[in-house]
Amino acid sequence: EVQLVQSGAEVKKPGESLKISCKGSGYSFTSYWIGWVRQMPGKGLEWMGIIYPRDSDTRYSPSFQGQVTISADKSISTAYLQWSSLKASDTAMYYCARHPGYGTQPDYWGQGTLVTVSS
Amino acid sequence: QSVLTQPPSASGTPGQRVTISCSGSSSNIGSNTVNWYQQLPGTAPKLLIYSNNQRPSGVPDRFSGSKSGTSASLAISGLQSEDEADYYCAAWDDSLMGVVFGGGTKLTVL
Repeated sequence: EVQLVQSGAEVKKPGESLKISCKGSGYSFTSYWIGWVRQMPGKGLEWMGIIYPRDSDTRYSPSFQGQVTISADKSISTAYLQWSSLKASDTAMYYCARHPGYGTQPDYWGQGTLVTVSS
Repeated sequence: QSVLTQPPSASGTPGQRVTISCSGSSSNIGSNTVNWYQQLPGTAPKLLIYSNNQRPSGVPDRFSGSKSGTSASLAISGLQSEDEADYYCAAWDDSLMGVVFGGGTKLTVL
């Protein structure tokens, strides 16, 4: 069974750094892309970018380029999304999702990680 | 403003058939396949339809998808109360080099 299990909810202050994780199981982690999707409170889905864990090839949505960093550690089947300096506007639910290939949409999704940034 | 356009809301009574539209352009729906996702309240999105009209295992055949040109639609027949959710369309966009989503349609079962 394909599973993507994300790290728990985080509460941070503006300016702090953060790295959240997404661990894949039940499939060959290095054969699929992993993407990240943001959902701000009461809003729709926004695609942030994807990474191919086999070689760490990473692509970003223009809207998120330079704002976040996507990485992966294939040895532990885990992908990451990180911020160097959080803003209140980063408050959102973040989902990781598996992509069957580059140029495709997600199929399996993680349960989500709620990030709250507040002073 | 989302790249793909969906109506913000839709509604129907139990047993009815409802359709949700998704409009795009030549760089996304016009040249790539469409997926549909169902997001029940407080949960992660779930794949409902892939490759325009294919249902993953476990998705009831009450759900169907279609695509024509730069538009797609999701149809739900025999509406049930548990279908009350947000529905999103998505496609790869060749110009933006990424996935684009519709703004989502909130389905209410009256």
